[in-house]
Amino acid sequence: AQSVSQHNHHVILSEAASLELGCNYSYGGTVNLFWYVQYPGQHLQLLLKYFSGDPLVKGIKGFEAEFIKSKFSFNLRKPSVQWSDTAEYFCAVRNTGFQKLVFGTGTRLLVSP
Amino acid sequence: DAEITQSPRHKITETGRQVTLACHQTWNHNNMFWYRQDLGHGLRLIHYSYGVQDTNKGEVSDGYSVSRSNTEDLPLTLESAASSQTSVYFCASSSNIGQGGGYTFGSGTRLTVV
Repeated sequence: AQSVSQHNHHVILSEAASLELGCNYSYGGTVNLFWYVQYPGQHLQLLLKYFSGDPLVKGIKGFEAEFIKSKFSFNLRKPSVQWSDTAEYFCAVRNTGFQKLVFGTGTRLLVSP
Repeated sequence: DAEITQSPRHKITETGRQVTLACHQTWNHNNMFWYRQDLGHGLRLIHYSYGVQDTNKGEVSDGYSVSRSNTEDLPLTLESAASSQTSVYFCASSSNIGQGGGYTFGSGTRLTVV
């Protein structure tokens, strides 16, 4: 069964620092990849997704992610974080042809002003 | 605008009671899902449906049931609530992959079982 690992459970950064959150998945077949963000007290919102094509995906709010098939990874990056990026970030994977999303355990990001 | 709504937003119930959480979407999505969110576990799939009269068990389905009698609704029932079912529950819907495939999430229901 597909599984997703997010190795950083808690990350604390200062404003303007660069961010990289790790995400690795287990299934070796064709996958769709997602990053979701959950701001305090809110529901999940889609940051970006990868289905095919250019492995470098740009999302909303200056976030991007790179799909590296050989490493089963889909790491999320942002060059310069803001206090408003404080949230929990979830990586999710779906095997192509299926609708079920499998989520990682999430990474809590705290950005100090 | 299309949306997905969950009700109630907060619920406190007693152990052993039957509880139903509502999920209603106006996206006309075929696929609907229920997840629970717990600290340290992320989101775990409870049940899902790919269309009317279709329901499937997810990874943590014990003690829960769903029914899909129309496209818009997928109510989640806890047959006999247990303290271990205290959690935040999220409903989601999606179109089929060829139409974009992203999920839309509801705002969640915080359930406390005392």
